[in-house]
Amino acid sequence: AQKITQTQPGMFVQEKEAVTLDCTYDTSDPSYGLFWYKQPSSGEMIFLIYQGSYDQQNATEGRYSLNFQKARKSANLVISASQLGDSAMYFCAMSITGNQFYFGTGTSLTVIP
Amino acid sequence: NAGVTQTPKFQVLKTGQSMTLQCAQDMNHNSMYWYRQDPGMGLRLIYYSASEGTTDKGEVPNGYNVSRLNKREFSLRLESAAPSQTSVYFCASSESLAAAGYEQYFGPGTRLTVT
Repeated sequence: AQKITQTQPGMFVQEKEAVTLDCTYDTSDPSYGLFWYKQPSSGEMIFLIYQGSYDQQNATEGRYSLNFQKARKSANLVISASQLGDSAMYFCAMSITGNQFYFGTGTSLTVIP
Repeated sequence: NAGVTQTPKFQVLKTGQSMTLQCAQDMNHNSMYWYRQDPGMGLRLIYYSASEGTTDKGEVPNGYNVSRLNKREFSLRLESAAPSQTSVYFCASSESLAAAGYEQYFGPGTRLTVT
């Protein structure tokens, strides 16, 4: 069975500090993709970053980086220099062959001024 | 560009009633998706359409039907609504299959309550 696990229901971070949001995944499919999405309180889903299972380097997009550890089956999101606007729900997601898509239960991040 | 639009934004149904959720995208994307989001459970894929003319089941397809009307539009139908289908429904689209790494663009969601 495919599965995404986010074990941190809520996280707090001081403004301008870095924060790591945890994500582990479980699949027997050798080809898969890992995504992070942000959902602000307004409700829309915003794509942040993508990592393919065969990518050798960790993905980065501006202040977002994905710490991909294949052997541990983890795909943690690192947000550097947190801003107040980063307060939101963050979802880790996995896609596998056949275009099936699985989301984790999310982590609520609060940035403290 | 409007991106991905969904109608209606809110809907209340009685058990057994039917309704269709509409979704349209103006980005010329090939792939479209329907998800539901329940509290504490994240998003779950209901159906997707890899390209015009094709549809496939996702993780939770029971109780739903879909139609890829054309490249722009992908509708989700509840034939006989049940309280368990109370949820927020999101439509999304991507240039090609999201499984290949293509970003999904999401609509604003439809909040459905079944009493």
